[in-house]
Amino acid sequence: DQQVKQNSPSLSVQEGRISILNCDYTNSMFDYFLWYKKYPAEGPTFLISISSIKDKNEDGRFTVFLNKSAKHLSLHIVPSQPGDSAVYFCAASAARGSTLGRLYFGRGTQLTVWP
Amino acid sequence: DTGVSQDPRHKITKRGQNVTFRCDPISEHNRLYWYRQTLGQGPEFLTYFQNEAQLEKSRLLSDRFSAERPKGSFSTLEIQRTEQGDSAMYLCASSLRDTLAKNIQYFGAGTRLSVL
Repeated sequence: DQQVKQNSPSLSVQEGRISILNCDYTNSMFDYFLWYKKYPAEGPTFLISISSIKDKNEDGRFTVFLNKSAKHLSLHIVPSQPGDSAVYFCAASAARGSTLGRLYFGRGTQLTVWP
Repeated sequence: DTGVSQDPRHKITKRGQNVTFRCDPISEHNRLYWYRQTLGQGPEFLTYFQNEAQLEKSRLLSDRFSAERPKGSFSTLEIQRTEQGDSAMYLCASSLRDTLAKNIQYFGAGTRLSVL
């Protein structure tokens, strides 16, 4: 039961352009969403997050957009750099309910930024 | 802040053997989580501690798996009678309890287990 879905396993973008990574979720109890970046042989690194009371959060080159009615979020990276090449995971959590504390992850999207 | 530390980084074992992994969380973090990640998948939740109390366990955590956090600091994850299906990356994460409304978890580099 995949409650967080990343339907694009890979994305290839030219350096300097925008990268848009998408994520969908099914559980309406989710109220906090996170993006993690993962390089090979390392653990996931926290990138940016957003609460369900907001629809946008920005941190430097990274912006996360949340559309609650569509149960959809996206991560925009502008401008993309070769060092951004990694696997990006979308994750969600609920502050209430029986699944308190755990993060639910998508399967990840491999982003490749080429020069 | 030295980050979340996991030991060992790699473990190769034979089927049927027991293995134990250790996780040292960020020092002021009182929450500690274990996840498992297999190829092509995102991390999957296994269990979660608040201080020394184990508050939640996934159904993925069979009776061959046990986790402890005896003094509310480091944690161990033991797998008894390992099976080839246990081969995976085992990730530990920690977070600070200010509010669960901001559930940012910080991950270690993981322990990669290979069961032959």
